[in-house]
Amino acid sequence: SQTIHQWPATLVQPVGSPLSLECTVEGTSNPNLYWYRQAAGRGLQLLFYSVGIGQISSEVPQNLSASRPQDRQFILSSKKLLLSDSGFYLCAWSPAGTAYNQPQHFGDGTRLSIL
Amino acid sequence: QKEVEQDPGPLSVPEGAIVSLNCTYSNSAFQYFMWYRQYSRKGPELLMYTYSSGNKEDGRFTAQVDKSSKYISLFIRDSQPSDSATYLCAIGRVNRDDKIIFGKGTRLHILP
Repeated sequence: SQTIHQWPATLVQPVGSPLSLECTVEGTSNPNLYWYRQAAGRGLQLLFYSVGIGQISSEVPQNLSASRPQDRQFILSSKKLLLSDSGFYLCAWSPAGTAYNQPQHFGDGTRLSIL
Repeated sequence: QKEVEQDPGPLSVPEGAIVSLNCTYSNSAFQYFMWYRQYSRKGPELLMYTYSSGNKEDGRFTAQVDKSSKYISLFIRDSQPSDSATYLCAIGRVNRDDKIIFGKGTRLHILP
C-alpha cells in the first residue's frame, strides 16, 4: 500500500530564517505531488505541484519554492521566512497521469509558526 | 461566483443522528467528486470518491451527487463522537490542468 511521510510535524522559526520541509511517498511510482497551505477559514491553497522529477508548477507568487530531486521526494523551501508564511503545510500525492479525476492523498502536515 | 461553496458550520448534532453535509458547485464541467475528513492537526483523509450522479454507499457514509442541480451531499448515519471533524468536499474538472478544487470545509460536532 502507499504511504506518505511528511516532517517535521511542528516547526517554529524566526523571521528571516531558511525553511526546508520534506515529503516522501512510498509504494507507488511517478506520482503527482502537491504542496498546499491551509489557513483557518481559507481552505486549502495549492502552492506547487509536480508531475515528474524536476517538473514544478507554481500556483501563486510567493516567498516559497519547491523541488523534486527524486521521483518520490518533494521539498518545500524558503530562503527567508516572512511572518505571513505561518500556517499548516500539507503534502499530497495522486497516481501518475491526469490529476483532475484522481483523488489526492495527504500527509499529516507541518504546522509552521514564524516568530 | 465561487467554483465550490460549502457552509463552514459549525454543525452540532446529537450522537446517533443522521448528518447531512453539502456543497454546491458552479460549473457543469465538474465531473469527479470527493469527500475528505480532517481531524484537528491532521491531514485530510479520503472518505468517498464518485464520478456519477446518484448515491454511493460505504458503511455509515453515503455520497450523493445531483449533477442537474450541481449539488453534492455526504450523509453520515448513526453518527458517533469520533465523527467530529472537518469535512471537505472536492471536485475535479474534465479537461482541466490537473486541478482539484476543494471546499473550505464544514466543522462537525457530534454531541455525546
